[in-house]
Amino acid sequence: GDSVTQTEGPVTVSESESLIINCTYSATSIAYPNLFWYVRYPGEGLQLLLKVITAGQKGSSRGFEATYNKETTSFHLQKASVQESDSAVYYCALGDNTGNYKYVFGAGTRLKVIA
Amino acid sequence: DPKIIQKPKYLVAVTGSEKILICEQYLGHNAMYWYRQSAKKPLEFMFSYSYQKLMDNQTASSRFQPQSSKKNHLDLQITALKPDDSATYFCASSQQDTQYFGPGTRLLVL
Repeated sequence: GDSVTQTEGPVTVSESESLIINCTYSATSIAYPNLFWYVRYPGEGLQLLLKVITAGQKGSSRGFEATYNKETTSFHLQKASVQESDSAVYYCALGDNTGNYKYVFGAGTRLKVIA
Repeated sequence: DPKIIQKPKYLVAVTGSEKILICEQYLGHNAMYWYRQSAKKPLEFMFSYSYQKLMDNQTASSRFQPQSSKKNHLDLQITALKPDDSATYFCASSQQDTQYFGPGTRLLVL
């Protein structure tokens, strides 16, 4: 079946340091998956951070970026310099673009940024 | 203003009881969904609806019944509650291929 595996948290990073959260996927039933990163800040719901629907493309938002790599089936999330306000849980997800919109999520990676 | 409202935010129930989780979206979307996240597990797809019709059901138990009284409502009725039903339940909606999520209802079954 389809699955998403991401860096197991918690991940602790010092402010202004770089960040990478790994995400790999297996899309056995979806020929051309769409890939997403969602973020959940403390006390809030899931928010879409970025999405990429075409292999080889890069998505970016709020200083975060991720490249859809079909060869390595990866969609790693990176940020060059994190801030305390980036502390949250990050979820990688894949979706079908054929009309069956069941998303498959990774387990989430809790990020703590310390001053 | 919140675009997807879920009520209540927290819910405590006793085993064997029945509860309804409320979801309303004000994004004008035609498709709505329910997901569940149990402790230390990924979000898990439960149901999808399009134009108030059930499109996909990945929930094995008939104790979980979605109810769509209006296009922008998709409530979730859970009967005969069990402690294993304890989880955060997320409602979502979409117009095309991007889903937008509500803040969740955290259910604890004692």
